[in-house]
Amino acid sequence: QKEVEQNSGPLSVPEGAIASLNCTYSDRGSQSFFWYRQYSGKSPELIMFIYSNGDKEDGRFTAQLNKASQYVSLLIRDSQPSDSATYLCAVIGASGSRLTFGEGTQLTVNP
Amino acid sequence: DGGITQSPKYLFRKEGQNVTLSCEQNLNHDAMYWYRQDPGQGLRLIYYSQIVNDFQKGDIAEGYSVSREKKESFPLTVTSAQKNPTAFYLCASKQEFNTDTQYFGPGTRLTVL
Repeated sequence: QKEVEQNSGPLSVPEGAIASLNCTYSDRGSQSFFWYRQYSGKSPELIMFIYSNGDKEDGRFTAQLNKASQYVSLLIRDSQPSDSATYLCAVIGASGSRLTFGEGTQLTVNP
Repeated sequence: DGGITQSPKYLFRKEGQNVTLSCEQNLNHDAMYWYRQDPGQGLRLIYYSQIVNDFQKGDIAEGYSVSREKKESFPLTVTSAQKNPTAFYLCASKQEFNTDTQYFGPGTRLTVL
């Protein structure tokens, strides 16, 4: 089992729709959870982080964490073509010393 | 300007040569990291360092070496022992508190000719 798994892509949504990106993790002691966005040929940039169970909203982005189910998700409301990118889920495990990344989900928002 | 710089942006290497990728940060971060990314793949950890003069192997350390002589610098050497070095290399840093965010440099794209 991979330490961090993301829903397989690519994911395609129409402009204005909600895009839902999902991630599960295997280390039950994981502490911190991050979503990064990576445009083609560029380095990852942080979108959201979440530490506690529940929802965290920032503009059009909402991160959701359920530690009991070992599940974290990212919702993008009113998706725009500029949101087209690969989204990486990353988790700090119980050891606390390093991030482990999923393989990413490629999102395309169609005008 | 605060941030993480990597150089060069593009690097070409002949087989059998060692090359060193530079990573510098002026964020006063304690921890620094090197990742490798292959096309369509996630990030794989090569080496990381939590304090000066100390570093640990990541998941794919074979064929790579690092040093951490200064807090702001964490160079990565890709040796000839690395059989498939063509990839996008990313350096990152963060404060050494478990929940702190990790930030990335712009990356170096290495191609072996």
